Amino acid sequence: GQQLNQSPQSMFIQEGEDVSMNCTSSSIFNTWLWYKQDPGEGPVLLIALYKAGELTSNGRLTAQFGITRKDSFLNISASIPSDVGIYFCAGQRGGADGLTFGKGTHLIIQP
Amino acid sequence: DTAVSQTPKYLVTQMGNDKSIKCEQNLGHDTMYWYKQDSKKFLKIMFSYNNKELIINETVPNRFSPKSPDKAHLNLHINSLELGDSAVYFCASSQARTQQYFGPGTRLTVT
Repeated sequence: GQQLNQSPQSMFIQEGEDVSMNCTSSSIFNTWLWYKQDPGEGPVLLIALYKAGELTSNGRLTAQFGITRKDSFLNISASIPSDVGIYFCAGQRGGADGLTFGKGTHLIIQP
Repeated sequence: DTAVSQTPKYLVTQMGNDKSIKCEQNLGHDTMYWYKQDSKKFLKIMFSYNNKELIINETVPNRFSPKSPDKAHLNLHINSLELGDSAVYFCASSQARTQQYFGPGTRLTVT
């Protein structure tokens, strides 16, 4: 099955730094989503993007739906300790299709 | 008010057994899903299901079968469990093309 190429695989940063991660695909998606997963929990939706070129913010998080519909990025500004976790990008073609996930970015923050 | 709930949280069983995982959503959504997360945290769609259509990921063995007694429930039955079935299984739901909400997961260990 298809996979999304998500990078970086892990990030070790200092508290207060900005974070950037991205996802690319060889094929088009009509929806891009970003999820965060804490240990022992299910993924929680952070941002959903529905239109090519769309730039959406949710607090300190900003994500963009690439104009080619084959990529997306997520930025986190001024990281705080509770931002620690695994961030997943996901693409959906439409309707009731399941999500195609990236392999995740492990974010570790050093105080 | 749990939106998507799964039972059990943990399931330990022996090879060859048959087991079921239950999922319920109280969001009034029309589509439900099952995902498998492996030991490397990779999330992969197994099934998506609404009132009209079951979409099966072709890589899922036919030992796995979803059963939906009603719109709010999608249970996962697994026959003849194998060691490789050990993983965390997540249920999710959505309303048409909108964002998917995930349950807390069921950690299945096959010994």
